[in-house]
Amino acid sequence: TQLLEQSPQFLSIQEGENLTVYCNSSSVFSSLQWYRQEPGEGPVLLVTVVTGGEVKKLKRLTFQFGDARKDSSLHITAAQPGDTGLYLCAGANAGNNRKLIWGLGTSLAVNP
Amino acid sequence: DTGVSQNPRHKITKRGQNVTFRCDPISEHNRLYWYRQTLGQGPEFLTYFQNEAQLEKSRLLSDRFSAERPKGSFSTLEIQRTEQGDSAMYLCASSLAYTDRNYGYTFGSGTRLTVV
Repeated sequence: TQLLEQSPQFLSIQEGENLTVYCNSSSVFSSLQWYRQEPGEGPVLLVTVVTGGEVKKLKRLTFQFGDARKDSSLHITAAQPGDTGLYLCAGANAGNNRKLIWGLGTSLAVNP
Repeated sequence: DTGVSQNPRHKITKRGQNVTFRCDPISEHNRLYWYRQTLGQGPEFLTYFQNEAQLEKSRLLSDRFSAERPKGSFSTLEIQRTEQGDSAMYLCASSLAYTDRNYGYTFGSGTRLTVV
């Protein structure tokens, strides 16, 4: 069974701080996606990383896919209260393109 | 197209009653997924359709749950004889086959079910 482990599970920081969220697996994924979910809403796709070692930036968010395509990280610089939410990673299996494998999420609270 | 639409947004029901939720996916998306999510947790896969065919159903799904997608467009999820443990957010997502890898899923806003 493929699993995606996210850490930390909960994170509470002050506005302006930096943070990193990790998504790890023992399995290789053909791609990995990061979503953000706000209370009462569905997850919204932030980025997809496909190539081992790939780095993508979305304003203050930097996403990296591990060289072996087993892990990924999300780094937020100078966090703002608007970054508050549940961050989810999801992996696509190269051998089974039917559904994504989901992590349990990192709940981030950025306090003003 | 306004994205994935789910109705109702909220449902409160008494234990033992049946409930039905509806999902209207993005029109050109041929894949449709149902997930269940409890507070602060990631989505838990329930079932998945490609067009009108139900291709996979979670082993965690009891026989009280049934889903249909009769014409390959909208889908319904029915829960019979609801129990308090069924209280959760039910999310629907859609995608276009073989592009999920790059473009991901589009989720609806969910239906929050409370069983009292």
